[in-house]
Amino acid sequence: KQEVTQIPAALSVPEGENLVLNCSFTDSAIYNLQWFRQDPGKGLTSLLLIQSSQREQTSGRLNASLDKSSGRSTLYIAASQPGDSATYLCAVYNNDMRFGAGTRLTVKP
Amino acid sequence: NAGVTQTPKFQVLKTGQSMTLQCAQDMNHEYMSWYRQDPGMGLRLIHYSVGAGITDQGEVPNGYNVSRSTTEDFPLRLLSAAPSQTSVYFCASSWSTTDTQYFGPGTRLTVL
Repeated sequence: KQEVTQIPAALSVPEGENLVLNCSFTDSAIYNLQWFRQDPGKGLTSLLLIQSSQREQTSGRLNASLDKSSGRSTLYIAASQPGDSATYLCAVYNNDMRFGAGTRLTVKP
Repeated sequence: NAGVTQTPKFQVLKTGQSMTLQCAQDMNHEYMSWYRQDPGMGLRLIHYSVGAGITDQGEVPNGYNVSRSTTEDFPLRLLSAAPSQTSVYFCASSWSTTDTQYFGPGTRLTVL
């Protein structure tokens, strides 16, 4: 059974700092990995989708990497802003989609 | 383009009552799915559909039924609500199982 773990569960950083969020999974036979953002009381918004054949994806200040062999992905956020404060979830897909519990990020002005 | 819509936003039920959570998408997506989100546990897949007339079970299907008569709609039915079904429910859709998923705003359900 696929298990997805996100560490840390919560993170607080000052504005302007570069940061890395971690996601690990136990079964490397995945089709893709997605990173989502969730604001309090809201649905999920897809940030980046990495197919199994890809190593990384970039969108603006966000960069996600994927290492299937080690079962790891990282989400790098450059020059963090208070508006980046949210919960970030990763999800992997093989037979179905499995989510991590998320990292709650707070960026302080 | 409304994307994925869910109704109602909030619902309170008594144990044993039944109800249907509605989900609709206007993007002509084939793949639709239902998740529940509980504190500290992330999202768990309840049921999914790869197209009209086709549904299958996810990780936590017990106590829930689904049907997919049209491409646009994917309702989730609770036949006899239990307190363990208190959760936030999200519907999602995508072109296929390996494409970006689009989520609705969620339904917060409380079962007393």
